[in-house]
Amino acid sequence: KAGVTQTPRYLIKTRGQQVTLSCSPISGHRSVSWYQQTPGQGLQFLFEYFSETQRNKGNFPGRFSGRQFSNSRSEMNVSTLELGDSALYLCASSLETASPLHFGDGTRLSIL
Amino acid sequence: GQQLNQSPQSMFIQEGEDVSMNCTSSSIFNTWLWYKQDPGEGPVLLIALYKAGELTSNGRLTAQFGITRKDSFLNISASIPSDVGIYFCAGQTSYSGAGSYQLTFGKGTKLSVIP
Repeated sequence: KAGVTQTPRYLIKTRGQQVTLSCSPISGHRSVSWYQQTPGQGLQFLFEYFSETQRNKGNFPGRFSGRQFSNSRSEMNVSTLELGDSALYLCASSLETASPLHFGDGTRLSIL
Repeated sequence: GQQLNQSPQSMFIQEGEDVSMNCTSSSIFNTWLWYKQDPGEGPVLLIALYKAGELTSNGRLTAQFGITRKDSFLNISASIPSDVGIYFCAGQTSYSGAGSYQLTFGKGTKLSVIP
């Protein structure tokens, strides 16, 4: 059974640009969550989607947005990139809302 | 917001030794989860705990959900070199109104095993 797939694995951008990251959940999983991981702040919750609806959002600025498609695949977008946005962005999916999260290997975003 | 205090931050142990790490919180959680993350990879779920007082094992790993629902510990017995990595605890909170759940993570315990 394929796990959570994130693309691309690595990305280099410059300040002011925008970026879109993609996540394909485990087949049958309807909930997709996004987390940002940095050495200083650790793993922090960005948002969660279920059936194409954002149900919960973490404490991040509006430059961070996301969406979920009818096939449960999800994308997150970061606009007007800042140096501090350099991080590992992790996507996780779960079967039901109360089920444990299963993570992908992340997209490593570096801002120059 | 909610915070998890995970300790120790790092540990160096001899192969074959037992390991213990724990997480405490000022908030109550409905579920405690333990993950392991290897370099260049995402966290992998080790154990999920759903009830206060629950003790669950997964091979050489044992974890417990504290009675107060504000803490959890993870034990690894007879450590081996492949146990090296960063271990994270996570508390799961339900937002029943929105039907949503989110995880609050500890800062991790970096485990090094000396052969």
